[in-house]
Amino acid sequence: DSGVTQTPKHLITATGQRVTLRCSPRSGDLSVYWYQQSLDQGLQFLIQYYNGEERAKGNILERFSAQQFPDLHSELNLSSLELGDSALYFCASSYTGGMYNEQFFGPGTRLTVL
Amino acid sequence: DQQVKQNSPSLSVQEGRISILNCDYTNSMFDYFLWYKKYPAEGPTFLISISSIKDKNEDGRFTVFLNKSAKHLSLHIVPSQPGDSAVYFCAAKAGNMLTFGGGTRLMVKP
Repeated sequence: DSGVTQTPKHLITATGQRVTLRCSPRSGDLSVYWYQQSLDQGLQFLIQYYNGEERAKGNILERFSAQQFPDLHSELNLSSLELGDSALYFCASSYTGGMYNEQFFGPGTRLTVL
Repeated sequence: DQQVKQNSPSLSVQEGRISILNCDYTNSMFDYFLWYKKYPAEGPTFLISISSIKDKNEDGRFTVFLNKSAKHLSLHIVPSQPGDSAVYFCAAKAGNMLTFGGGTRLMVKP
């Protein structure tokens, strides 16, 4: 158990819909990262927040957005969903904002878009 | 454009022998490399890392080698144990970006 929690575990929705994935970092960690893992690809870095502020942006689509709240939990919003958005979405956390540090991953949310 | 590649999707090794997992990269700006292990239905867990100024880092049964001129790194596990069976991802850092390879599934047979 990494200490990072993600809800929900599974999500099934239809194309065109909007969903919100939630992540609670490890106690004391200030940084939250979001990743997408599709069937045929490795982990794709989406976005990082550090202490409420956006720190780094990766391959995140404009239809996707994220935020980190004052209690440090984070939400990833996916809108106008397409079939290709079906994937495992992981959240990770670390104490500092630098990528040198070990990131602790949650168990992931499996999103299925029908 | 895959900047980090793990060309072997799977590897099968006998218990007690050495497992060697390989990773190639193209971006010379990568300055830090990490290996993560992933079991089914769990998130990845950090294994070992290496800075680009080093060529080797060892932690127990795990050793990572970095060959900068070849843009190649490898993870050696010796001796391999059945509990090492998992998917292994290499990752490379440039600035504030972390890029992962596609993963290699390691199967250690008793």
